[in-house]
Amino acid sequence: QVQLQESGPGLVKPSQTLSLTCTVSGGSITNNNYFWSWIRQHPGKGLEWIGYIYYTGAAYYNPSLESRGSISVDTSKNQFSLKLWSVTAADTALYYCAREVIVPVDADGFDIWGQGTMVTVSP
Amino acid sequence: EIVMTQSPATLSVSPGERATLSCRASQSVSNDLAWYQQTPGQAPRLLIYGASTRAAGIPVRFSGSGSGTEFTLTISSLQSEDSAIYFCQHYNNQPLIFGGGTTVEIK
Repeated sequence: QVQLQESGPGLVKPSQTLSLTCTVSGGSITNNNYFWSWIRQHPGKGLEWIGYIYYTGAAYYNPSLESRGSISVDTSKNQFSLKLWSVTAADTALYYCAREVIVPVDADGFDIWGQGTMVTVSP
Repeated sequence: EIVMTQSPATLSVSPGERATLSCRASQSVSNDLAWYQQTPGQAPRLLIYGASTRAAGIPVRFSGSGSGTEFTLTISSLQSEDSAIYFCQHYNNQPLIFGGGTTVEIK
């Protein structure tokens, strides 16, 4: 059974870089049926899709990040990572990694999620 | 960017009764819509994809309908464990957008 696990610092200072890693276990990140996404949830709020990456390294980002984000993949470690630069208090959120089904094309949706990791931006 | 609007914000339903949740897209998303359930302290769980197909292991009391811009999630006979926040999400194009959520409370 595929599982996702986020890891990274829980506290980041304003203007610095937020770095998180998602480790995929129980399956290969190179499976061509999936995209691998980062999603965040501000405290008490809804869900915001940050972006996704394919195992080839092709990535797409939510324009709301204003080009502050980057997602990378390390197939040798079965991991994908998020970097968010120049963070502010508005980036304080619960960050999830999730798997999106892309094949079959009519079975889309985020079917597997990590447990989430809280990141607080504070001096 | 497509805007997803959910209503009502909160729904209070008695056990065994039907709960009907709505999701509206600002433009057509065809049937590229998913529903998720989030209970306190947990990650969201995929309930429905393709607007009406239940994900694996989801009880039959959950059903989805609609296409284009208007979608509905129905819980036919509410159970206590269904108390949660429910989100819709389109995947018709990028960026992928979630609705603001509907909180279902047990009356």
